[in-house]
Amino acid sequence: EAGVTQFPSHSVIEKGQTVTLRCDPISGHDNLYWYRRVMGKEIKFLLHFVKESKQDESGMPNNRFLAERTGGTYSTLKVQPAELEDSGVYFCASTERGTSGGREQFFGPGTRLTVL
Amino acid sequence: AQKITQTQPGMFVQEKEAVTLDCTYDTSDPSYGLFWYKQPSSGEMIFLIYQGSYDQQNATEGRYSLNFQKARKSANLVISASQLGDSAMYFCAMREGRGSGGSNYKLTFGKGTLLTVNP
Repeated sequence: EAGVTQFPSHSVIEKGQTVTLRCDPISGHDNLYWYRRVMGKEIKFLLHFVKESKQDESGMPNNRFLAERTGGTYSTLKVQPAELEDSGVYFCASTERGTSGGREQFFGPGTRLTVL
Repeated sequence: AQKITQTQPGMFVQEKEAVTLDCTYDTSDPSYGLFWYKQPSSGEMIFLIYQGSYDQQNATEGRYSLNFQKARKSANLVISASQLGDSAMYFCAMREGRGSGGSNYKLTFGKGTLLTVNP
């Protein structure tokens, strides 16, 4: 069974440009999460989808970030326009709906974003 | 206030010895879960072990065990018989509550501990 995949693995863009990150969760996983780790800091929650609905977007830094999950399958996270402080590693994770106790979130390998 | 505190930015251990990575947490929710993840230099996040707040026994997974002291709000990870491949960043994380109808199990992470296993 394929795990969570993310694309691209690494992106280098100029300040002011737009970047779109993609996450494909494990097939059948209704819950999809985005997290971000800025250099030297802890991994922070960005938002949570249940199928195509945003359940919790309390961690989104500002309105330059837009996440979508059309059809409840893969998700995209767009940063427009990108700023220097957006550099970091963006992780996606997924879980099955109703997983008992939420024992495990399956993480993707992350996308390393560098804004110059 | 920090919800997850990992006080050891870096730790060193000799191969084949045991090592304890510290984690304390802060929550007023009676229902919560505690996780440890390993992040090797390749970057992926690997789930290691989980402890639920109502679990009666400390969790164990192979060479990993979680020393859960509920009254002290600590959830230290113990790695026995360290191997060179254990060198990585280790993150402690917490999920609070049982989640809403949508089962929101968002995690709160600590800053991590970089473990180096010496030969």
